[in-house]
Amino acid sequence: KAGVTQTPRYLIKTRGQQVTLSCSPISGHRSVSWYQQTPGQGLQFLFEYFSETQRNKGNFPGRFSGRQFSNSRSEMNVSTLELGDSALYLCASSVTGQGYEQYFGPGTRLTVT
Amino acid sequence: GENVEQHPSTLSVQEGDSAVIKCTYSDSASNYFPWYKQELGKGPQLIIDIRSNVGEKKDQRIAVTLNKTAKHFSLHITETQPEDSAVYFCAASRGRDTDKLIFGTGTRLQVFP
Repeated sequence: KAGVTQTPRYLIKTRGQQVTLSCSPISGHRSVSWYQQTPGQGLQFLFEYFSETQRNKGNFPGRFSGRQFSNSRSEMNVSTLELGDSALYLCASSVTGQGYEQYFGPGTRLTVT
Repeated sequence: GENVEQHPSTLSVQEGDSAVIKCTYSDSASNYFPWYKQELGKGPQLIIDIRSNVGEKKDQRIAVTLNKTAKHFSLHITETQPEDSAVYFCAASRGRDTDKLIFGTGTRLQVFP
């Protein structure tokens, strides 16, 4: 069974731009969660989607948004990029939610200059 | 809010020795405790998990123990090998679909040959 895939793997953007990251979950998984990972802050939860609905949200500004499609694929968008948004963005999928086995993708490394 | 503390932040051991990483959680309703291993340039990989109806779980060289009374759980790696070198994350959740998974801050394990 194919794992979680994320595209693109690397991205360089300029301050003020916006970016969209994509995540394809494991087949049959309906829950997709997004995390931001930085050296200083560890793994920070952004949001979780289940059946196209945002079910949980972390403490991030409204510049961070996401959505999920009917095939469970998910995208996250960051608008008006800031230098501090440079991070590894990880997507994880689960059959039903974060209370069960969750599998991570390789991440998208975003660099904001 | 919920919090998971993880210690130590770095751990160096000689190949063949054992390594122990400890986590403490604050939410007494937590009952799902996974451990993740993250190698350089990769996403976190689920290596073992335990639910609160079990006090210990083993899988080859790794084991997790849970003490619900003290609200702490530990990862034990025996006969360490250089390929065990990675960052390890513990996490805790109430174990239901809608519950968030709270991560510890990570332990960087180095195994020297």
